[in-house]
Amino acid sequence: EVQVLESGGGLVQPGGSLRLSCTASGFTFSIYAMTWVRQAPGKGLEWVSTVSTSGGGTYNADSVKGRFTISRDNSKNTLYLQMNSLRAEDTAVYYCAKGSGRQQPLDYWGQGTLVTVSS
Amino acid sequence: DIQMTQSPSSVSASVGDRITITCRASQAVSSWLAWYQQKPGKAPNLLIYAASSLQSGVPSRFSGSGSGTDFTLTISSLQPEDFATYYCQQADSFPLTFGGGTKVEIK
Repeated sequence: EVQVLESGGGLVQPGGSLRLSCTASGFTFSIYAMTWVRQAPGKGLEWVSTVSTSGGGTYNADSVKGRFTISRDNSKNTLYLQMNSLRAEDTAVYYCAKGSGRQQPLDYWGQGTLVTVSS
Repeated sequence: DIQMTQSPSSVSASVGDRITITCRASQAVSSWLAWYQQKPGKAPNLLIYAASSLQSGVPSRFSGSGSGTDFTLTISSLQPEDFATYYCQQADSFPLTFGGGTKVEIK
């Protein structure tokens, strides 16, 4: 059974940092791109970042460029999102999803982890 | 960036009704379009990919069509478990973009 499980969310002050993790099981992690999508409270879905199978290719939304870094460790079947210089508008549930979303569907999603940026 | 516009933003319907949700892209995306269903407090669930391909395990009452800039998601006979919010997503190019969502409510 395919499973992706996010962790690492929490309350952080504006300007602070947080690292999210997503552990995957039930599929060959190393042959799939992986993606982060977020959803602010009461709002729609917003793509954040995608990483290629090797980790050598990354794609980021303009809203997080220069602040967030997506990476992966294929030996640990784990995806990461390093979030720096956090702002109130980054408050959201962050979902990890299997696939690139580009010409490949996001076919399995985790349950999400809540990040709250507030003083 | 490719803008995705869904309509309507909400629809009230009864069990057994046929409903259609439309999604329009600001530029052509070929058939690179996906549809997701999201229930309150839950993660999105893939329904349709490549505009018309049904994801494994998704009931056949869901169908998708379209290409280029205009797409539709149809639920042929609404069931109680289908009351949810539906999102389209263009899968043609980065940045990936989603429609604003269509909330399907019980009449």
